[in-house]
Amino acid sequence: AQSVSQHNHHVILSEAASLELGCNYSYGGTVNLFWYVQYPGQHLQLLLKYFSGDPLVKGIKGFEAEFIKSKFSFNLRKPSVQWSDTAEYFCAVKKFSGGYNKLIFGAGTRLAVHP
Amino acid sequence: ETGVTQTPRHLVMGMTNKKSLKCEQHLGHNAMYWYKQSAKKPLELMFVYSLEERVENNSVPSRFSPECPNSSHLFLHLHTLQPEDSALYLCASSQGFGQETQYFGPGTRLLVL
Repeated sequence: AQSVSQHNHHVILSEAASLELGCNYSYGGTVNLFWYVQYPGQHLQLLLKYFSGDPLVKGIKGFEAEFIKSKFSFNLRKPSVQWSDTAEYFCAVKKFSGGYNKLIFGAGTRLAVHP
Repeated sequence: ETGVTQTPRHLVMGMTNKKSLKCEQHLGHNAMYWYKQSAKKPLELMFVYSLEERVENNSVPSRFSPECPNSSHLFLHLHTLQPEDSALYLCASSQGFGQETQYFGPGTRLLVL
């Protein structure tokens, strides 16, 4: 079945550690890719997105993601995390289906950063 | 502030109750969405409205009934729900269905007893 897979459900890091969250999708053809973040008690916010062009996308708060088409992957990275990055991170793929573009989410990765 | 508001933020209801969730977007968008977020599961798209017309119903049980009276407001009417319907219900909006980003509201956390 077509899906979006996030490899880790929970990640625990110390401040200043590097972060990489995996995301793989199984849709063929043209896709748009997103990472959303949900801080504790807050709404989902867009972190970054890829539509076309440079496969290395820069987002807010020092996050970046790399689209590797051959691997169907869109991993999220940050060189040095902070306590304030504690949140749940969702990868999403926008795919044209049924006459409109549908946003399909992964199950999310819960990140806890310890000071 | 994303420009998408939802009320109530929390709701507890019995299985025989009827209640409604409200979503309002202040962004001038023309598409609105209802999602269900359950623990340890991906966000599930429930309904999509474009220009106040429903364009997608993702096989959602009839105990959930959406209503979109205008492009700024979206409702989700609930009746005879089951305990497994307890979840966070998120509303989102976008300007069209192309490359436009969806903006999410804070959600309504629903508990069905």
